[in-house]
Amino acid sequence: EAQVTQNPRYLITVTGKKLTVTCSQNMNHEYMSWYRQDPGLGLRQIYYSMNVEVTDKGDVPEGYKVSRKEKRNFPLILESPSPNQTSLYFCASSLFGSYEQYFGPGTRLTVT
Amino acid sequence: QKEVEQNSGPLSVPEGAIASLNCTYSDRGSQSFFWYRQYSGKSPELIMSIYSNGDKEDGRFTAQLNKASQYVSLLIRDSQPSDSATYLCAVIGSGGYQKVTFGIGTKLQVIP
Repeated sequence: EAQVTQNPRYLITVTGKKLTVTCSQNMNHEYMSWYRQDPGLGLRQIYYSMNVEVTDKGDVPEGYKVSRKEKRNFPLILESPSPNQTSLYFCASSLFGSYEQYFGPGTRLTVT
Repeated sequence: QKEVEQNSGPLSVPEGAIASLNCTYSDRGSQSFFWYRQYSGKSPELIMSIYSNGDKEDGRFTAQLNKASQYVSLLIRDSQPSDSATYLCAVIGSGGYQKVTFGIGTKLQVIP
């Protein structure tokens, strides 16, 4: 089954404790992206990657890191999480040039 | 900041009616436009993509694009209660970057 998976689905953590949210896709997609979704603000792009070792900032990259060492994986790293990073996070992937994105199930992160 | 604007709604239509969802964008050079549907508590799923001026139909859905007016719309014919969801407009901007900007989404309620 073609899918985008994210782990964990739910996470409660404390300020400053480094965490990684994993994202994996099995569709051989070149393009992968991370979004956060907040009430009243909608979906905002954090980072995207057009292929292995090629990443670029979206609209809200501050406080986040990404890496793309393998085509199927695109982890999101919060090195020192803060309460304002409490949000619902989505990973998505698509074929390069299409941008018709498939979304993962989401990760609900709470930083206290 | 390149923007994508949508009325947040809710837009209420009776079952069987046509629902019309609208989106405007600020980046005149944008080339790719998408409509996603998001049910409450779920991840977005792609409904339609449109790249050139005019109409594109897929079943009960029609996407309309007018680049001169910087306007994209989604029509849902014969609306069903199962169409009740939030509809997100997404745009890929110009400038050689592959950033995706989403609108805030319009909540649609189809009344039986």
